Amino acid sequence: QQQVKQSPQSLIVQKGGISIINCAYENTAFDYFPWYQQFPGKGPALLIAIRPDVSEKKEGRFTISFNKSAKQFSLHIMDSQPGDSATYFCAASSTNFGNEKLTFGTGTRLTIIP
Amino acid sequence: DTGVSQDPRHKITKRGQNVTFRCDPISEHNRLYWYRQTLGQGPEFLTYFQNEAQLEKSRLLSDRFSAERPKGSFSTLEIQRTEQGDSAMYLCASSGRNRGNTEAFFGQGTRLTVV
Repeated sequence: QQQVKQSPQSLIVQKGGISIINCAYENTAFDYFPWYQQFPGKGPALLIAIRPDVSEKKEGRFTISFNKSAKQFSLHIMDSQPGDSATYFCAASSTNFGNEKLTFGTGTRLTIIP
Repeated sequence: DTGVSQDPRHKITKRGQNVTFRCDPISEHNRLYWYRQTLGQGPEFLTYFQNEAQLEKSRLLSDRFSAERPKGSFSTLEIQRTEQGDSAMYLCASSGRNRGNTEAFFGQGTRLTVV
C-alpha cells in the first residue's frame, strides 16, 4: 500500500522557470512532511520540511505548500537552475510515537535545461 | 560533526554469501534507521533503533536480515545467504535526541550488488 503518492515521475523545466512537484498522502496520523534531494550515487539530503500547522514554508528558492484538508503538499522551486537537476522525494512521518520513520514517495527526476 | 558515515560504499558479492554493512550516526543522535532503496524508487523503511534497542522491524526485513546497535553507537546490518533480489542501496539515517527534533540525516549509502 503506497501511502505517499508523488507526481510527476519526471519533469523538464527551463532555467529560470518554476518547478512544481506534488504529493498526496493517506495516513492522517502523518504530521511531518520533508522533501529530500538526491544526486546520483549519493544519499538523500534534507531540503525543506513542513508541519501541518502552517500552509506554506519558504526557504530561499524552495517553498512547500500544504493543504491539510486535501491531504496534499507540493514543492515549488523558483528560478530553477541547472544545479537543481536531481531526484526529489517527498516523505511523511508521524512524530507522535517516537519512531519517526519516513514513508517516501516514488521520486521525481528533475532536469533543468539551459 | 562529520555526518552519517556508511561503510563500505560499494559491495559486490556472490549469491549465497553473507555481507555486513556498518553505519556510524551523528554522534549526539539517539535514533538510527536503516532503509533500502532500489533503482527508481524511494527509500523503504527496514528497521529502527532508539539507543541500543531495536524497536521496529519492517516486514521487508526477512529472517536473513539482522541489525544490531551495540552500546547505542554504530550499527551493523547483516544479510545472510544473499539473493539477487537483495541488490539495492542500503541507507542509514540518524535523528536527534529529543522528540520533535525530526530531521533525519542520511549517509551516502552502501550499494550492494549480488551476482
